[in-house]
Amino acid sequence: EAGVAQSPRYKIIEKRQSVAFWCNPISGHATLYWYQQILGQGPKLLIQFQNNGVVDDSQLPKDRFSAERLKGVDSTLKIQPAKLEDSAVYLCASSLGTGALNTEAFFGQGTRLTVV
Amino acid sequence: DAKTTQPPSMDCAEGRAANLPCNHSTISGNEYVYWYRQIHSQGPQYIIHGLKNNETNEMASLIITEDRKSSTLILPHATLRDTAVYYCIVRVARNYGGSQGNLIFGKGTKLSVKP
Repeated sequence: EAGVAQSPRYKIIEKRQSVAFWCNPISGHATLYWYQQILGQGPKLLIQFQNNGVVDDSQLPKDRFSAERLKGVDSTLKIQPAKLEDSAVYLCASSLGTGALNTEAFFGQGTRLTVV
Repeated sequence: DAKTTQPPSMDCAEGRAANLPCNHSTISGNEYVYWYRQIHSQGPQYIIHGLKNNETNEMASLIITEDRKSSTLILPHATLRDTAVYYCIVRVARNYGGSQGNLIFGKGTKLSVKP
């Protein structure tokens, strides 16, 4: 079974530039999460989708971050404009989300963003 | 905020059992206990989860106290490859509206397995 795919693996941009990350979840998974992980900390949830609807975006800095999940499959996370403090690993995860209770979430390898 | 408390670090000798504690004294009746680990430069990996009964799989065992206020993850024979940060998470079974509960990570326990 293919895992959660993310691209790019690494990205370096200057502050005030824009950047986008892409995530392809496991086939059939209705729930998709985006996390931000700053060095030395645990992952912080940014947004959760159920199919193409947003379940929780309370921690998403909406003045600069946006995310979408068109057609309830792939998702993109965008930062515009980037700040130095956005340097982090951005993780995407997916879980079955329907039917059985409490299916585990599977994580991708993440995209490491460096803002200079 | 995370609803769990874990020691920041632990050491374990290779081949011995690693017992990682977690406190979740405010856990609700509809919340499960999940364990994930994160090896350096990788995404978190699911280990095990449970509600109130002890659970075992090919990776680990999960012991949950009767009052559900704490749990212990047991790696029966730790190897060098088990060196990682281990996260204990409480997760609601299902949100109002039917969607899956989200995973709120704390700082975890950095387990170092030494030869």
